[in-house]
Amino acid sequence: GAVVSQHPSWVICKSGTSVKIECRSLDFQATTMFWYRQFPKQSLMLMATSNEGSKATYEQGVEKDKFLINHASLTLSTLTVTSAHPEDSSFYICSARRGTSGPYEQYFGPGTRLTVT
Amino acid sequence: AQTVTQSQPEMSVQEAETVTLSCTYDTSESNYYLFWYKQPPSRQMILVIRQEAYKQQNATENRFSVNFQKAAKSFSLKISDSQLGDTAMYFCAFMNAGGSQGNLIFGKGTKLSVKP
Repeated sequence: GAVVSQHPSWVICKSGTSVKIECRSLDFQATTMFWYRQFPKQSLMLMATSNEGSKATYEQGVEKDKFLINHASLTLSTLTVTSAHPEDSSFYICSARRGTSGPYEQYFGPGTRLTVT
Repeated sequence: AQTVTQSQPEMSVQEAETVTLSCTYDTSESNYYLFWYKQPPSRQMILVIRQEAYKQQNATENRFSVNFQKAAKSFSLKISDSQLGDTAMYFCAFMNAGGSQGNLIFGKGTKLSVKP
């Protein structure tokens, strides 16, 4: 159990367009979902935290108007990169937390590679 | 603010040997969790082991064990009988148990290569 999927796994888009990435918890309800960005050979950087039905909490330095996060249900969160530019090219990873107490274990999706040309 | 430091950017070990990856952290919290995650070339993050700060006993999971020194704020990972499939990036992570969101704070990672 505790599987998280992401779609698409790889996307190429043109500069100025928007792209949406989906994160789904397949076999559990995720009270909280997290979005990370990972540059090559670097660690994961938390972008934002989203709770179902409420606005996402963005980390300092992350443009909320550029990276739109919607956590519409307990199994789905989406990240939309608006007006994408080449510097937005990166590996985006989501994770989902099951429950609201205990060890708060996060389950990670397989990631989405975004390339902006 | 909490920080996690992994001082070994890269390490290598011979197959079947034992290797220890280092991690230190800084926090003023008393109740927290520590994790080691593995990220193989597929880039899928995989939980290796978890330690609750209130537990004195070191966590173990098969060939993986930790040396948790709370006073020293040290949390090292020992991999015994290393296998080729252990080749991956390893990230140490901290989570404040009192935090409402359960955010993970990651170290910069250690790239482990297991050589045949």
